[in-house]
Amino acid sequence: DGGITQSPKYLFRKEGQNVTLSCEQNLNHDAMYWYRQDPGQGLRLIYYSQIVNDFQKGDIAEGYSVSREKKESFPLTVTSAQKNPTAFYLCASSLVEEQPQHFGDGTRLSIL
Amino acid sequence: SQQGEEDPQALSIQEGENATMNCSYKTSINNLQWYRQNSGRGLVHLILIRSNEREKHSGRLRVTLDTSKKSSSLLITASRAADTASYFCATRKTGTASKLTFGTGTRLQVTL
Repeated sequence: DGGITQSPKYLFRKEGQNVTLSCEQNLNHDAMYWYRQDPGQGLRLIYYSQIVNDFQKGDIAEGYSVSREKKESFPLTVTSAQKNPTAFYLCASSLVEEQPQHFGDGTRLSIL
Repeated sequence: SQQGEEDPQALSIQEGENATMNCSYKTSINNLQWYRQNSGRGLVHLILIRSNEREKHSGRLRVTLDTSKKSSSLLITASRAADTASYFCATRKTGTASKLTFGTGTRLQVTL
């Protein structure tokens, strides 16, 4: 079955630590996205990538970094510079940017 | 910033009733999309309506778009308990590639 796999489902970060969230898709989609969702809120765009080896900042990129070395993979690193990282992180992909987005089941990040 | 605002924030109905959710937005759009999110899961795309369309149907879903009022509505007919979820509208602004802007969502509870 084609889809998007996010791992881990739950992640805990210590103060001053960087953590990396994994996102893999086998849908052969060009575009991939990272969103942050806070309780009772909509989604806010962190980073997006339209093609391999290229990515752009979204609305809330500070404290986050990404890479897109392979079409299938778009990992997100939450750095120690992100002072309020506790949230639900969602990865999505689309065939091209105009098409509807397909989502993974998210990673819930908490602070120890 | 949040482009779409859903109304109501929460809706509780009985099985068999219709559910109507509204979305208002601020700027000109290329298209508007509705997504569904079950608790603790990723979003699932429901329907996309383009700016030159006024109404679209998909199964028990009916979406309308009024660009003069910058608003859209999602109607779910003959609701089932399995329809319990949060529903989000997302807009793609005119002239901007890639970025979808999500609203804050309507939490729908369908009781037996």
